[in-house]
Amino acid sequence: DAGVTQSPTHLIKTRGQQVTLRCSPKSGHDTVSWYQQALGQGPQFIFQYYEEEERQRGNFPDRFSGHQFPNYSSELNVNALLLGDSALYLCASSLSPTGMNTEAFFGQGTRLTVV
Amino acid sequence: SQQGEEDPQALSIQEGENATMNCSYKTSINNLQWYRQNSGRGLVHLILIRSNEREKHSGRLRVTLDTSKKSSSLLITASRAADTASYFCATDGWNSGYSTLTFGKGTMLLVSP
Repeated sequence: DAGVTQSPTHLIKTRGQQVTLRCSPKSGHDTVSWYQQALGQGPQFIFQYYEEEERQRGNFPDRFSGHQFPNYSSELNVNALLLGDSALYLCASSLSPTGMNTEAFFGQGTRLTVV
Repeated sequence: SQQGEEDPQALSIQEGENATMNCSYKTSINNLQWYRQNSGRGLVHLILIRSNEREKHSGRLRVTLDTSKKSSSLLITASRAADTASYFCATDGWNSGYSTLTFGKGTMLLVSP
């Protein structure tokens, strides 16, 4: 059983560019959450997708947007990249968010460097 | 924003010793989870403790939760070099019907052979 897979693993972009990161959830999971982890910090919640809709959003600007497809995979898009967007972007999948005490499974992340 | 605060920020021990990490949080929770991260890569789920539980064990891991003090501790017994990693606590606040995790800054554990 493949766990959560993310692509690409590493990415270098220039300030002002746009980037798309991809995530395939663990088999059977229908909820995808995205996190940003700056160096030396804990992951920060960006947003969560369920049934192809954004259900929860953290304190991130509108430059951060996402999408969930019918097969539950998800994309994270960041527009007008800033140097401060350089971070490890983590995708986590879980079962339907209507269940409490749900364990989240994380992918290996995409390391984004903005130069 | 960070919900949990782990203490200490860094911990260095010898193989065979026990490692204890603490986590404090601010708001009410449904559960608290501990994760491990090796070399800045993906997070591995270690253990989940519900708000109505006080202690939980999993192999060499022991987690306690004190909701009155809004704190939790993770004990790793008989540490091994392979336990070297960063450890994060994450609180699940069940916001508006959806489960989202709020992480602390983590404790970096170094276990020397």
